[in-house]
Amino acid sequence: NAGVTQTPKFRILKIGQSMTLQCAQDMNHNYMYWYRQDPGMGLKLIYYSVGAGITDKGEVPNGYNVSRSTTEDFPLRLELAAPSQTSVYFCASSHSPLQGTQEKLFFGSGTQLSVL
Amino acid sequence: AQTVTQSQPEMSVQEAETVTLSCTYDTSESDYYLFWYKQPPSRQMILVIRQEAYKQQNATENRFSVNFQKAAKSFSLKISDSQLGDAAMYFCAYRSHLQTQGGSEKLVFGKGTKLTVNP
Repeated sequence: NAGVTQTPKFRILKIGQSMTLQCAQDMNHNYMYWYRQDPGMGLKLIYYSVGAGITDKGEVPNGYNVSRSTTEDFPLRLELAAPSQTSVYFCASSHSPLQGTQEKLFFGSGTQLSVL
Repeated sequence: AQTVTQSQPEMSVQEAETVTLSCTYDTSESDYYLFWYKQPPSRQMILVIRQEAYKQQNATENRFSVNFQKAAKSFSLKISDSQLGDAAMYFCAYRSHLQTQGGSEKLVFGKGTKLTVNP
């Protein structure tokens, strides 16, 4: 089973460049999330989506955009990369908690991004 | 807003011994979930154990168990018979259980505890 697939695994950007981090899940999960993990810190929520066509901001959304055109895909867009966006980015998904005790999050393996 | 605090940046344990990782949290909600996630050097986040706040019984998963003290807002993880493969970062996390769409999407993490297992 593929689970949650993130691409790329590593990327170096120059200041001001743009890129899209890809995330796909094959578990038919309604909920999807983007987190960032800075060195020595826990994960912070950037954006989340509760279903196709629905997205909302998390704790640290500035500098990012997302879209959710399908249930499977949840790309994260960086428009003007800044050094402060150097981090490890994790995508995650879960069933809707309204469906019962399916609150377990499945994580991708992360994307290490450096902005120089 | 909910917060999660892990007061031990690093811990070490001898192989086969027992270690306890601490976690406290702050919330005004009465119904929620608590989790421990393990992050080995591979970066993959792995769910170790979860606890529903409405359950008084402490969760256990093989060598992993928790001590959930709801009144004290404490959620510690005990690892028994520690193995070399247990070495990792461990994150405590909180998730609301609000029964409205979009109410329980926020998984709040602590800063993590790095666990070293000595042979």
